[in-house]
Amino acid sequence: DQQVKQNSPSLSVQEGRISILNCDYTNSMFDYFLWYKKYPAEGPTFLISISSIKDKNEDGRFTVFLNKSAKHLSLHIVPSQPGDSAVYFCAGGYNKLIFGAGTRLAVHP
Amino acid sequence: SQTIHQWPATLVQPVGSPLSLECTVEGTSNPNLYWYRQAAGRGLQLLFYSVGIGQISSEVPQNLSASRPQDRQFILSSKKLLLSDSGFYLCAWSVQPPEAFFGQGTRLTVV
Repeated sequence: DQQVKQNSPSLSVQEGRISILNCDYTNSMFDYFLWYKKYPAEGPTFLISISSIKDKNEDGRFTVFLNKSAKHLSLHIVPSQPGDSAVYFCAGGYNKLIFGAGTRLAVHP
Repeated sequence: SQTIHQWPATLVQPVGSPLSLECTVEGTSNPNLYWYRQAAGRGLQLLFYSVGIGQISSEVPQNLSASRPQDRQFILSSKKLLLSDSGFYLCAWSVQPPEAFFGQGTRLTVV
């Protein structure tokens, strides 16, 4: 049972443009949602989170949007930079974090 | 500041051998502790989580077990490894929502 789904395994974006990573969930118990960034052979690093009572949270170039009625969230990165190239995981949480399968973002010059 | 240590970084073990991966957290008390696995090309699968000493919740039936002998120590074990146990194992901790913090991971290859 996939409680968190990232349906796009990969995304390619030109430097300076917007990257939009999407995530859907099924578990209504999630109190909050998070995005992590992961490089190969390293642990994921926390990027940004959003409470289930909010619909938007912004931190610098990163903005997360939550649509509870659609059970959908997205991460916007503006402007995209080559250093943003990594695998991005979304996660839903209550007393534990459940992760999606990840989306590999490639930002090219 | 809080830190998390996970070792070893890489491990090659034969099928049928035992496994013990250790994770310790410093700089915090009574954390929630987690073991995740990332199989090749796959997402992060939650294996076990613990909200206190001796309290272990298993998420997926499998060949692995976990123990928490001390407040900030979390151990992942197996009595006999299978080929399918190969993967990248990650320990994480959290104190309060929302975020969890991850160790650097252990690459396990069962041969």
